[in-house]
Amino acid sequence: EDKVVQSPLSLVVHEGDTVTLNCSYEVTNFRSLLWYKQEKKAPTFLFMLTSSGIEKKSGRLSSILDKKELFSILNITATQTGDSAVYLCAVGPDYGQNFVFGPGTRLSVLP
Amino acid sequence: DTEVTQTPKHLVMGMTNKKSLKCEQHMGHRAMYWYKQKAKKPPELMFVYSYEKLSINESVPSRFSPECPNSSLLNLHLHALQPEDSALYLCASRTLGGNTEAFFGQGTRLTVV
Repeated sequence: EDKVVQSPLSLVVHEGDTVTLNCSYEVTNFRSLLWYKQEKKAPTFLFMLTSSGIEKKSGRLSSILDKKELFSILNITATQTGDSAVYLCAVGPDYGQNFVFGPGTRLSVLP
Repeated sequence: DTEVTQTPKHLVMGMTNKKSLKCEQHMGHRAMYWYKQKAKKPPELMFVYSYEKLSINESVPSRFSPECPNSSLLNLHLHALQPEDSALYLCASRTLGGNTEAFFGQGTRLTVV
């Protein structure tokens, strides 16, 4: 059974801190790994990673994939209160078009 | 237009009611999804439609009935729900073929009383 694990499950930091969120996976047929940010309702897409070692970057957020060790990290530098959210990691789509989600990391950034 | 639109945003229904959730996208995506999300849990897949045909039904109870009338619309018909069905129902869509991300709607917050 495909499995996605995230750590930590919860994290509290202060503005300006740098955080690293982890995602590890065990899937039968890996195609891609995706990061989403979920605040109140809709998960919003951050990154899709398909190749090892290539960093994706968007502003203060960056992410990288290690397909040999089966994990990815999401880094957020100089955190702001607006970064407070649940960060979801997902792998897929599988041949059934499904994405398997991890439990999420709940990040709280205090002023 | 890069939006997935869900209506209604909030819904309160009794256990004997029949209601429908609607989802619409105009991005030409041919895969559409229904997810159920309980508080502090990740989205849980319910149904997948590929080219307007149901391709996955994750053992969802028959009181949930999906429908995909055309490539832009996805409905979820609800009947005789239980209080434990209260959750956020998310619709998503994506392009079929290759590695593409799923775009999510804002969800319908459903409360069954």
